[in-house]
Amino acid sequence: GQQLNQSPQSMFIQEGEDVSMNCTSSSIFNTWLWYKQDPGEGPVLLIALYKAGELTSNGRLTAQFGITRKDSFLNISASIPSDVGIYFCAGRLNSGGSNYKLTFGKGTLLTVNP
Amino acid sequence: DGGITQSPKYLFRKEGQNVTLSCEQNLNHDAMYWYRQDPGQGLRLIYYSQIVNDFQKGDIAEGYSVSREKKESFPLTVTSAQKNPTAFYLCASSIQSRRGEQYFGPGTRLTVT
Repeated sequence: GQQLNQSPQSMFIQEGEDVSMNCTSSSIFNTWLWYKQDPGEGPVLLIALYKAGELTSNGRLTAQFGITRKDSFLNISASIPSDVGIYFCAGRLNSGGSNYKLTFGKGTLLTVNP
Repeated sequence: DGGITQSPKYLFRKEGQNVTLSCEQNLNHDAMYWYRQDPGQGLRLIYYSQIVNDFQKGDIAEGYSVSREKKESFPLTVTSAQKNPTAFYLCASSIQSRRGEQYFGPGTRLTVT
């Protein structure tokens, strides 16, 4: 099946620093999604990307859909304590009977020291 | 408010018992999904349903069963055949479109002893 490699697995940063994380796939995707999960809660959708090369921002978050369609990047600028959580990437290939299945990365655990 | 509700938040069961987790959505979404999350792992798909009265197995369906009798509801039963049922279970829904944006409920943490 499709594999998503998300890195880094964890990050420890100081408040105010910028953060970068990425996902790479063994297969091409047509959609990339980025989610954030707080402890004990469900993931919340942050950014959705639908086109190779697309760059989309949501406040201090910026995500890009890689040109090869096999990768995506998420950047967080000027981190604050409430950015703490697990960030997941997810990709989808629109084809056949599994048209709506997402493949998830294993997540990046972000810790922000005030 | 529109959203996805899962109940209960915490569930405890003895080994050998079946247990049903509830998932309801009022977003008018056609598709619904069940995922399992274990510590340090990504989300793994158990079952999904794109339309009422139809559902498909995901990547780890063994030991689980679902039904989809109403558009709003997609309950998951964890049977005694599931070898490692203790986990965090997440329900999600989406519209039927090329965009694939899934929205998640708050989750149910199941502990089986």
